Amino acid sequence: KNEVEQSPQNLTAQEGEFITINCSYSVGISALHWLQQHPGGGIVSLFMLSSGKKKHGRLIATINIQEKHSSLHITASHPRDSAVYICAVPSNTGNQFYFGTGTSLTVIP
Amino acid sequence: NAGVMQNPRHLVRRRGQEARLRCSPMKGHSHVYWYRQLPEEGLKFMVYLQKENIIDESGMPKERFSAEFPKEGPSILRIQQVVRGDSAAYFCASSSQSLDHSPLHFGNGTRLTVT
Repeated sequence: KNEVEQSPQNLTAQEGEFITINCSYSVGISALHWLQQHPGGGIVSLFMLSSGKKKHGRLIATINIQEKHSSLHITASHPRDSAVYICAVPSNTGNQFYFGTGTSLTVIP
Repeated sequence: NAGVMQNPRHLVRRRGQEARLRCSPMKGHSHVYWYRQLPEEGLKFMVYLQKENIIDESGMPKERFSAEFPKEGPSILRIQQVVRGDSAAYFCASSSQSLDHSPLHFGNGTRLTVT
């Protein structure tokens, strides 16, 4: 079993739709990270959160430590949001990440 | 404030040659991580270094691969006697503290093609 499970694996949405990507993890953590990988390959760190909710523009990330679950929401989605979104949690040693398999999002105009 | 700089962006090597990938972390960052992404696959951890020390190399193949982060200069990932299976994107990332406490900043990656 993977330490980090993401769903859905692929997601296609119409421009303007509200999008939710889910992440469940099995290890004890102090922080969870959401990453975005663009079609060109570059990777950007979107959020690091350890409790509650964080918001940045149209992106919202939430985490429930007790349920070991996090969600990434995108409001008013836009074609430029098309990317792979990756959930990652540090290992127990903090030396490396356990990565989810990624969610490939395509937003259609 | 420059981000994580990786070079070269693209590298083509013939089988048996050596590949040297460079990574300059963000200013003030002493934690460097290398990840490999095979075509159509996710990111896989290779090695974690702090200045002059390898902290965790559990994700790096024992043979042909080595990494260093000297006191002065960039971190280097070195692949000797490359094979076709080494073709991948190699990403470097840096942070100011451990992953529990600070976000990672990624470079744009080096795309290695072995012919």
